[in-house]
Amino acid sequence: DIVMTQTPLSLSVTPGQPASISCKSTQSLLQTDGKTYLYWYLQKPGQSPQLLIYEISNRFSGVPDRFSGSGSGTDFTLKISRVEAEDVGVYYCMQSIKVPYSFGQGTKLEI
Amino acid sequence: QVQVVQSGAEVKKPGASVKVSCKASGYTFTDYYIHWVRQAPGQGPEWMAWLNPNSGVTNFAQKFQGRVTLTSDTSISTAFLDLSRLRSDDTAVYYCARVMHFGSGKFDSWGQGTLVTVSS
Repeated sequence: DIVMTQTPLSLSVTPGQPASISCKSTQSLLQTDGKTYLYWYLQKPGQSPQLLIYEISNRFSGVPDRFSGSGSGTDFTLKISRVEAEDVGVYYCMQSIKVPYSFGQGTKLEI
Repeated sequence: QVQVVQSGAEVKKPGASVKVSCKASGYTFTDYYIHWVRQAPGQGPEWMAWLNPNSGVTNFAQKFQGRVTLTSDTSISTAFLDLSRLRSDDTAVYYCARVMHFGSGKFDSWGQGTLVTVSS
């Protein structure tokens, strides 16, 4: 099974400051179709996870442009250029190149 | 607009079965796969399985093979998760989510979650 490892596990950020989360996979997430099956989700307190970024760097509809994703192969990063109060929650990376799909342990962002 | 609404919380005894429903609206039900993800208290999400409502084809994480059954009723745009031989470590919030393409992890709409508590 593919293991997803996130760092850090928690992050305390002042509003307006940047934040960065790393995610590493034990196997390459690059598929033969040229796509990389790496996603970022945010789970706000008491809510279902919500999609932020798909296939490394594509922002989902309605996601603010302060969120960006980058990386390749096995190493990926989610960046928030200027954290806002509404960004609090737990961030998860997830892979879908191989069943079972797997999530990282999560990174808790606090303000 | 797209909505995915799940059935309410359940309390079950060890060894029993539970059936969770996931009703979709606002889109063509058979155009999207339905995935099931669970989250134990204080833990991260754990992917369980997917169902293609158009064909009935399913795929499961190996740890759930033999205990999970996925079905759907396309006439009411609803998918179902059946989990049998419940254990205390099956206590979790169970989510359904839709995905358009095979192999994609782009879960663009999630249900609100169904808490299943397994306790004697």
